[in-house]
Amino acid sequence: DIQMTQSPSSLSASVGDRVTITCRASQSINSYLNWYQQKPGKAPKILIYAASSLQSGVPSRFSGSGSGTDFTLTISSLQPEDLATYYCQQSSSTLALTFGGGTKVEIK
Amino acid sequence: QVQLEESGPGLVKPSETLSLTCAISGGSIFTTNWWSWIRQPPGKGLEWIGEIYHSESTKYNPSLKSRVTLSVDKSRNQFSLKLISVTAADTAVYFCARKRSGSYSYNWFDLWGQGTRVTVSS
Repeated sequence: DIQMTQSPSSLSASVGDRVTITCRASQSINSYLNWYQQKPGKAPKILIYAASSLQSGVPSRFSGSGSGTDFTLTISSLQPEDLATYYCQQSSSTLALTFGGGTKVEIK
Repeated sequence: QVQLEESGPGLVKPSETLSLTCAISGGSIFTTNWWSWIRQPPGKGLEWIGEIYHSESTKYNPSLKSRVTLSVDKSRNQFSLKLISVTAADTAVYFCARKRSGSYSYNWFDLWGQGTRVTVSS
């Protein structure tokens, strides 16, 4: 399986801050990387697919970058409604789709 | 608007079989999408269980493959999960999801059910 490692596992930031979450794959996955947001008690929601494509309806303050093994999700200006856990997921392997361990974002 | 809804028992005894169904409303199972199951143990991350196409082709997580069976019911526009020989480690919220495919074989989970909590306990 391709292992996905996210960092940090949690962070606390103020409204308006720029937030960056990192995801690293155990082998190259080109741009087969997706990002999801999961609010407490809810199902995950797709934010970014193919490493950098913004899902329709997702605010433009969210962006993704990277290719190969290293990827980044950036929230340009953190909002109160961004309180959530964020997961990366690789879609490169046809054997098993895998998720990162998650990054919990808290608002100071 | 396509929606997914999971259903099934919330409590399963150890060594028995967990059975869940995902009903698709507002759309058809006969699309180019794969239909997936994903689970989340309490306080933990997401684990992909497997997926099925309307043709009944399947793909399973190797770590669960020996215990999982996915199936489709085309007449009812739904798909199902069976997990045998469950233990407490199978306690989780189970989500069904639609996996959409784009260009260059990019794919992502673009639609999720609300999830159903399953507890394995005697």
